[in-house]
Amino acid sequence: GAGVSQSPSNKVTEKGKDVELRCDPISGHTALYWYRQSLGQGLEFLIYFQGNSAPDKSGLPSDRFSAERTGGSVSTLTIQRTQQEDSAVYLCASSLSNQPQHFGDGTRLSIL
Amino acid sequence: QQQVKQSPQSLIVQKGGISIINCAYENTAFDYFPWYQQFPGKGPALLIAIRPDVSEKKEGRFTISFNKSAKQFSLHIMDSQPGDSATYFCAAWGDFGNEKLTFGTGTRLTIIP
Repeated sequence: GAGVSQSPSNKVTEKGKDVELRCDPISGHTALYWYRQSLGQGLEFLIYFQGNSAPDKSGLPSDRFSAERTGGSVSTLTIQRTQQEDSAVYLCASSLSNQPQHFGDGTRLSIL
Repeated sequence: QQQVKQSPQSLIVQKGGISIINCAYENTAFDYFPWYQQFPGKGPALLIAIRPDVSEKKEGRFTISFNKSAKQFSLHIMDSQPGDSATYFCAAWGDFGNEKLTFGTGTRLTIIP
């Protein structure tokens, strides 16, 4: 499809395990963003990529969170040693520079 | 300075009525204000957006009103339909050296027949 694709759509894991979330942006979009949406809450910014570099990582909540982007395309958000408070929907968005952001449908992460 | 305040948290409107959601911001460097619509299980979808050089923008049944001096903007949905039932987020963006959006906390809109 032509939209932002995220996988998996749902992930259930045990506390303490590591998880990897994947985002395939719209082809040609140079900017990529990760946001977190907790139940009934707004969207919390995590990290922004321009190309493969991340000029703004200010939203990552702890050093257990990391993200990378390769080939100016796919991005992976990794959460190490997951905690129950990490349960949320993780949303990825992409855009051309200074253009509207387009969101994927998110990965629903549940930590048991 | 970076916050966007949104109200109400939830809203119930009868079919055919006007739905109004309000947002306010502090940082005058914001210069792009989009509204996103989100259905359960889906990601937010861009609905309509405005820049502060205009006071109003209309697209179909959806209108943004913008008051630069008051640092407020609002979404009006005319002739509200049950299919409009969703969560609406206002957001703001400014050229601060990054391109992140700052979101309001969302309004859950329910249109009743």
